Amino acid sequence: AQTVTQSQPEMSVQEAETVTLSCTYDTSESDYYLFWYKQPPSRQMILVIRQEAYKQQNATENRFSVNFQKAAKSFSLKISDSQLGDAAMYFCAYLQGGKLIFGQGTELSVKP
Amino acid sequence: GAVVSQHPSRVICKSGTSVKIECRSLDFQATTMFWYRQFPKQSLMLMATSNEGSKATYEQGVEKDKFLINHASLTLSTLTVTSAHPEDSSFYICSALILGRGNTDTQYFGPGTRLTVL
Repeated sequence: AQTVTQSQPEMSVQEAETVTLSCTYDTSESDYYLFWYKQPPSRQMILVIRQEAYKQQNATENRFSVNFQKAAKSFSLKISDSQLGDAAMYFCAYLQGGKLIFGQGTELSVKP
Repeated sequence: GAVVSQHPSRVICKSGTSVKIECRSLDFQATTMFWYRQFPKQSLMLMATSNEGSKATYEQGVEKDKFLINHASLTLSTLTVTSAHPEDSSFYICSALILGRGNTDTQYFGPGTRLTVL
């Protein structure tokens, strides 16, 4: 069975600095998709970034980028120039067969 | 972008009553929707997959007679918590699946419903 592991329950970053959130996953599939979702205090799940496993190029969305290491089954999220509004729970997720499997989440706090 | 709504946003009910939660895709059609449950400070737990025009598929350990799912149209799925008890109190989130080109499938989430059973 596929599993997703986020080993950092909490992370903290200074405003304007860079932070990296870790995620590893386990799968025997070769074709799949990985996501990072953000859940702010409102609890609305917001898609941050998506990575297709068949693409070698790391996905980037403005200040958010990923480091996708397929062989190592690692999918970390880098947030550059952190802003106060980035404070939230971040979930890494694996999609296969239409179903999302989530990691445990990392709570990110941003210090002004 | 894809917008998914849920109604109500929060509901309080007495033990033994039934509660219906609606999930709507506002600007797209979704043949597949999902229902999740989330406890405080925890991750989302998939409860069931809702398919338009057919029976829902429940995850292991989820009581299908307890959590009734109906997906009667391409924009609406409903979750009914029957004979609710305090242990059913939780945050329920739905999502809708968009099938993208080149297999870029993505789930978009509703804002969630907080259920409190007294």
